[in-house]
Amino acid sequence: QVQLQESGPGLVKPSQTLSLTCTVSGGSISSGGYYWSWIRQHPGKGLEWIGYIYYSGSTYYNPSLKSRVTISVDTSKNQFSLKLSSVTAADTAVYYCARGEGYCSGGSCYAPFDYWGQGTLVTVSS
Amino acid sequence: EIVLTQSPGTLSLSPGERATLSCRASQSVSSSYLAWYQQKPGQAPRLLIYGASSRATGIPDRFSGSGSGTDFTLTISRLEPEDFAVYYCQQYGSSQGTFGQGTKVEIK
Repeated sequence: QVQLQESGPGLVKPSQTLSLTCTVSGGSISSGGYYWSWIRQHPGKGLEWIGYIYYSGSTYYNPSLKSRVTISVDTSKNQFSLKLSSVTAADTAVYYCARGEGYCSGGSCYAPFDYWGQGTLVTVSS
Repeated sequence: EIVLTQSPGTLSLSPGERATLSCRASQSVSSSYLAWYQQKPGQAPRLLIYGASSRATGIPDRFSGSGSGTDFTLTISRLEPEDFAVYYCQQYGSSQGTFGQGTKVEIK
């Protein structure tokens, strides 16, 4: 059974960089056919996809966040990470990591999310 | 960006009743790359349906999905107590996957 666990600071100051790590257990992050993703949910609101990464390092980002987002992978630790720069209060949200099963092609990813972490609340405040 | 609009916002039903949830896309969803998720308070979403009509692993057969193009439906044939939750649709057939705003299924 694949499990994902987010970790990182719960409080970030405005203009700083939000950094989170997702640790995958019960399966290898290097398995083909899976795309590792970050998704966020603003308090009391809906879901917003942030981006995917493949174990090879290929990334696919939400165009609305692309200028501030970096997703990276460390296959030796079975982890992938999110960095979101220049945060504001609008970035306050529960951040989930998730596994997408499918494929990416031509800049699009066709991978619904079958496993999710429990989520971690990140608050942006001074 | 494909905008997904879910209706109704809230559905008030009793256990044993049938629930029909709608998800309408602002443009056609490629090859029915449409998923449905269930979320309970304080929990992560759970994948129910992918490819518009395929049930995910371990999902009971009272959950079914249908539709194509711009109109999709999630049906719960007979509501069980554990089915009262928020349901989201998601399209993942474009360069920017998007979610609907959710439908809350509450106990009447």
